[in-house]
Amino acid sequence: DGGITQSPKYLFRKEGQNVTLSCEQNLNHDAMYWYRQDPGQGLRLIYYSQIVNDFQKGDIAEGYSVSREKKESFPLTVTSAQKNPTAFYLCASSPALGATNEKLFFGSGTQLSVL
Amino acid sequence: KQEVTQIPAALSVPEGENLVLNCSFTDSAIYNLQWFRQDPGKGLTSLLLIQSSQREQTSGRLNASLDKSSGRSTLYIAASQPGDSATYLCAVGDGQNFVFGPGTRLSVLP
Repeated sequence: DGGITQSPKYLFRKEGQNVTLSCEQNLNHDAMYWYRQDPGQGLRLIYYSQIVNDFQKGDIAEGYSVSREKKESFPLTVTSAQKNPTAFYLCASSPALGATNEKLFFGSGTQLSVL
Repeated sequence: KQEVTQIPAALSVPEGENLVLNCSFTDSAIYNLQWFRQDPGKGLTSLLLIQSSQREQTSGRLNASLDKSSGRSTLYIAASQPGDSATYLCAVGDGQNFVFGPGTRLSVLP
């Protein structure tokens, strides 16, 4: 099956701890994204990447870091500097940026909670 | 900076009713607009994508329209069913990334 796989589904973070959320896609898409969703709110962009070894900050990048060493993988690290990390995290991909017919595909999400 | 709003925030209708969800955006220089469905605790599923040069798209009981000049899109759902209950989000693409609205939570009562 082609798609986007996020793991784990649930994650708990202790104070001062860094945690990494996994996102893997087998759709051969160039662009990948990380969004944060808080209850009752829309999605806010954390980071996005158009090609391997390149990524850009979104609206709320502080306290987060990413890497894009492989086309199919875009892991997100929530660092201890992120003081309010409890949220639902969604990874997405699209064939390429800049096309009007570019459709966004999503993984099933990771719920991160603070212990 | 692009801002996207959705009205109403929540909607409850009896089964079989036709309904309209609204999405407004502030900057008309868009590449496309996409409508998504989200079930509780799940990811987003794409319903319809309208390119900037198009006026509407249809899929089954769903029809989405786009009026760039007025900064509006509507999602029309015909003959609603309890299985349509979910949150519906619109997202505006500008060629760099996508800006999402807060969503409309729809409940279809049997």
